[in-house]
Amino acid sequence: KAGVTQTPRYLIKTRGQQVTLSCSPISGHRSVSWYQQTPGQGLQFLFEYFSETQRNKGNFPGRFSGRQFSNSRSEMNVSTLELGDSALYLCASSLMVQETQYFGPGTRLLVL
Amino acid sequence: TQLLEQSPQFLSIQEGENLTVYCNSSSVFSSLQWYRQEPGEGPVLLVTVVTGGEVKKLKRLTFQFGDARKDSSLHITAAQPGDTGLYLCADGGMEYGNKLVFGAGTILRVKS
Repeated sequence: KAGVTQTPRYLIKTRGQQVTLSCSPISGHRSVSWYQQTPGQGLQFLFEYFSETQRNKGNFPGRFSGRQFSNSRSEMNVSTLELGDSALYLCASSLMVQETQYFGPGTRLLVL
Repeated sequence: TQLLEQSPQFLSIQEGENLTVYCNSSSVFSSLQWYRQEPGEGPVLLVTVVTGGEVKKLKRLTFQFGDARKDSSLHITAAQPGDTGLYLCADGGMEYGNKLVFGAGTILRVKS
């Protein structure tokens, strides 16, 4: 069974631009969560989706948004990029809520 | 807000040595998870512990959960270069849904 896939793997943007990252969960998994990983702040929870509904949101500004589609694939969007948004963005999927989460390899975003 | 503190931050050892890394929480864990993350990859779950005093073994890795469920340790016997990576502890309790709260991690480097 294929693991969690994230596209693109690497991305370079400039300040003020917006970006959309994509996550395809493991087949059959209905829950998708997003995390941001930086050297300074570590791994921080962004949001969680289940059955196309956002169930939980972390402490990030409104520039960070996401959605989940009926096939459980998820996207996250960051508008008006700032230098501090440079990070590894990780997606994790689980069969249901409160079950083991499996992480993808991440998308590394560099904002110049 | 729960804070997870991991120590040491960085550990560099020779192949064959033993080591222990620690994770302490500012509040009682709902459930504690240990992950290992290798460069360019997402975290991979090693173990989940729930009961105070619980000890779990995974080959050369031994995980202990404190009686008060506020601390944990990960002991590796006869470390190998393949054990190199970032070791993260996380709390993923019922009240958080699928939200995981991570510590900053311990970077382990095992030299051959």
